[in-house]
Amino acid sequence: DGGITQSPKYLFRKEGQNVTLSCEQNLNHDAMYWYRQDPGQGLRLIYYSQIVNDFQKGDIAEGYSVSREKKESFPLTVTSAQKNPTAFYLCASSSSTGNTGELFFGEGSRLTVL
Amino acid sequence: KQEVTQIPAALSVPEGENLVLNCSFTDSAIYNLQWFRQDPGKGLTSLLLIQSSQREQTSGRLNASLDKSSGRSTLYIAASQPGDSATYLCAVRGTGGFKTIFGAGTRLFVKA
Repeated sequence: DGGITQSPKYLFRKEGQNVTLSCEQNLNHDAMYWYRQDPGQGLRLIYYSQIVNDFQKGDIAEGYSVSREKKESFPLTVTSAQKNPTAFYLCASSSSTGNTGELFFGEGSRLTVL
Repeated sequence: KQEVTQIPAALSVPEGENLVLNCSFTDSAIYNLQWFRQDPGKGLTSLLLIQSSQREQTSGRLNASLDKSSGRSTLYIAASQPGDSATYLCAVRGTGGFKTIFGAGTRLFVKA
């Protein structure tokens, strides 16, 4: 089945460590996104990528980094510079060619800083 | 800057009731509006997508309407069931690019 796979589902990090969250899609979508969700708040955009080897900062990019070396993959690294990284992270994708622009999401990764 | 607001923040209804969830947005220059469902600890599931040129979309017991001029959308759920209990999020994509702005959601509880 086509979809978006995020891993790991749960991740614990010690302060000062970098961690990388994986996002893989087999929907053949060009655009991919990373969102952060905190309790009681809407999703906030961290980074997005419209095409391979290109990505743009979203509203809260500080302390995060991404890469887009393959169409199917858009990993997110949470660096030690991120002051409050404990959150639920959601990856999404959409097709950018002549259609609805519908967003599809993965199941999320919950990061906890110990 | 686009802002999306959802009212109410939480709602509790008895099973079988018809209900309406509200979403408002500040910039009418939208590409589409999407309604999602989120269960606790899970990702978002797309329910309905309304293009800028459309007025409404229907799927089963769900109906979503869009009024761009007033900056409002409603999600109508008919004959609610306990399985409908979840958080419902509204999201608006603008015409200027790929960014989608989300509301904070309405948490729905349907009592059996």
